[in-house]
Amino acid sequence: DAKTTQPNSMESNEEEPVHLPCNHSTISGTDYIHWYRQLPSQGPEYVIHGLTSNVNNRMASLAIAEDRKSSTLILHRATLRDAAVYYCILRDPTGTASKLTFGTGTRLQVTL
Amino acid sequence: KAGVTQTPRYLIKTRGQQVTLSCSPISGHRSVSWYQQTPGQGLQFLFEYFSETQRNKGNFPGRFSGRQFSNSRSEMNVSTLELGDSALYLCASSLVRGPYNEQFFGPGTRLTVL
Repeated sequence: DAKTTQPNSMESNEEEPVHLPCNHSTISGTDYIHWYRQLPSQGPEYVIHGLTSNVNNRMASLAIAEDRKSSTLILHRATLRDAAVYYCILRDPTGTASKLTFGTGTRLQVTL
Repeated sequence: KAGVTQTPRYLIKTRGQQVTLSCSPISGHRSVSWYQQTPGQGLQFLFEYFSETQRNKGNFPGRFSGRQFSNSRSEMNVSTLELGDSALYLCASSLVRGPYNEQFFGPGTRLTVL
């Protein structure tokens, strides 16, 4: 699986937007970009995924660079509940495996 | 719809013992994957089961094994426990196999080996 690089930690104030970056310079043309997050004392949960176009859902937005070598997860208004470790993961759709290859992720701290 | 459940939630064992962890996937989900999470190595894939067959395996020694039953419930077993096996063991289920499918994780089983 292609590798991703994320900052170890980020801080945000509550109710402000948060932009979590991810670099994936070796991404292949068919890799999807997935984001999961892990809240304290819980298992990871799916956030969003995309291929080329920007994507929005009720949790977040995903902005993908034109060359696809980087992407940004956007939380529009961070809340204390969003404090978690966020993982950017590349998934190869040509295979059948369900496995996720996690990196070290970004620990997001949200303060009042 | 009930989420992924894992039992037990906490477990303490001593070196040399064996342990069996259980995972019940979301109803209707047929793929079950297991992960190990430690502070040093992070989240690492152990294996994936689908239709009672192991489909994919991570880089772990043979002491780690698993199985899946006809109702999609899965168990993983670790024999001859070592101190380094202390970890959070997470189970994830998805509707079918494949990289498009959202994985739903359980809360994990925290294993401590003394």
